[in-house]
Amino acid sequence: GENVEQHPSTLSVQEGDSAVIKCTYSDSASNYFPWYKQELGKRPQLIIDIRSNVGEKKDQRIAVTLNKTAKHFSLHITETQPEDSAVYFCAASPTGTASKLTFGTGTRLQVTL
Amino acid sequence: GAVVSQHPSWVICKSGTSVKIECRSLDFQATTMFWYRQFPKQSLMLMATSNEGSKATYEQGVEKDKFLINHASLTLSTLTVTSAHPEDSSFYICSARQREVGTDTQYFGPGTRLTVL
Repeated sequence: GENVEQHPSTLSVQEGDSAVIKCTYSDSASNYFPWYKQELGKRPQLIIDIRSNVGEKKDQRIAVTLNKTAKHFSLHITETQPEDSAVYFCAASPTGTASKLTFGTGTRLQVTL
Repeated sequence: GAVVSQHPSWVICKSGTSVKIECRSLDFQATTMFWYRQFPKQSLMLMATSNEGSKATYEQGVEKDKFLINHASLTLSTLTVTSAHPEDSSFYICSARQREVGTDTQYFGPGTRLTVL
């Protein structure tokens, strides 16, 4: 089955700096890669996703890059703000109606003033 | 759009009792719903995949007789924790995927915190 590794487990940045979280996956059949943000006690919220036919996707301060050859993908947050503080999870799955997500272990991001 | 609700948001029960958790897609039809379990400061662990009108598919190590899943309609799936014990205490989260072909996105419910005394 799929195995997703995520690094770092914790990340502290100053407000305004950039944050980068990296994930690797093992199953070459995976072609859908979402990123979720989860605040304490809340539901995971989709912040951006990318499919394997695209190498990079950007949405305002958030971007995701994908390298299918190396089987890794990364989340980039620029101009970080205190409200970006949360736990971020990457995930991977093959497409299809029955396909399931395999989550990374999570990164706790702390944006300090 | 794409709102998923879960009920109850928290529940405390005595050891040996059963607890039912509901997951509803409010504004879309969900062909597939997923049930996850999350321990404090840990990732989401998939328990089972639920397809409308068919039996759920359980992940390895998840007892299907203990965690009963029913997906009776395109907008409702239920998880029943039978004969709950303290080690079943956890945060249970469901997610739903839209019915349209080619849609991969999973939308998550707000979770249910179960505490078994």
